[in-house]
Amino acid sequence: AQTVTQSQPEMSVQEAETVTLSCTYDTSENNYYLFWYKQPPSRQMILVIRQEAYKQQNATENRFSVNFQKAAKSFSLKISDSQLGDTAMYFCAFMKLPNTGNQFYFGTGTSLTVIP
Amino acid sequence: SAVISQKPSRDICQRGTSLTIQCQVDSQVTMMFWYRQQPGQSLTLIATANQGSEATYESGFVIDKFPISRPNLTFSTLTVSNMSPEDSSIYLCSVSLSYEQYFGPGTRLTVT
Repeated sequence: AQTVTQSQPEMSVQEAETVTLSCTYDTSENNYYLFWYKQPPSRQMILVIRQEAYKQQNATENRFSVNFQKAAKSFSLKISDSQLGDTAMYFCAFMKLPNTGNQFYFGTGTSLTVIP
Repeated sequence: SAVISQKPSRDICQRGTSLTIQCQVDSQVTMMFWYRQQPGQSLTLIATANQGSEATYESGFVIDKFPISRPNLTFSTLTVSNMSPEDSSIYLCSVSLSYEQYFGPGTRLTVT
């Protein structure tokens, strides 16, 4: 079975600063995807960034980037130039391929607060 | 990408009653997923709904409590039956498309 661990239940960062959210996972699979999702207080779950396990290059989306360490099974999210709108719950997720149903696993989430 | 809508967005229900939540997707998808998110918690998969077959339920969830319909490739319903206060949660519909998982806005259910 796959497990996803987020060891930081809550974090805060000053506006315009950089913050890193941690995620580790455990799997014996070799073919999978990793995701970071954001859930603002309005609760719509939004995909922030995706990483394919077969790619060595770390994914980047504007101010969001990941540090993917496959051997260490680590997948951290770095948010640069934090903005007030980044305040949300962040979930790390693992998807085994092929996704035939219950192959999507979430971490317990990190509540991030951006302080003005 | 996929755009998912859910109805109702929120409801307050009496103990012992049932509520049916609707999920509509703007694309045809093979699998639709129903999740529960209890306050301050992560998401827990309730069941996977495939069009034309019975839904597959995860451990701890049963069809009598959470019957699901999947009449076509863009629509599904989840019913929360014989509700108790422990069923107070957010219920989210989700689909998998092009190696991404998309989520609806959720239905916030409060049982009194």
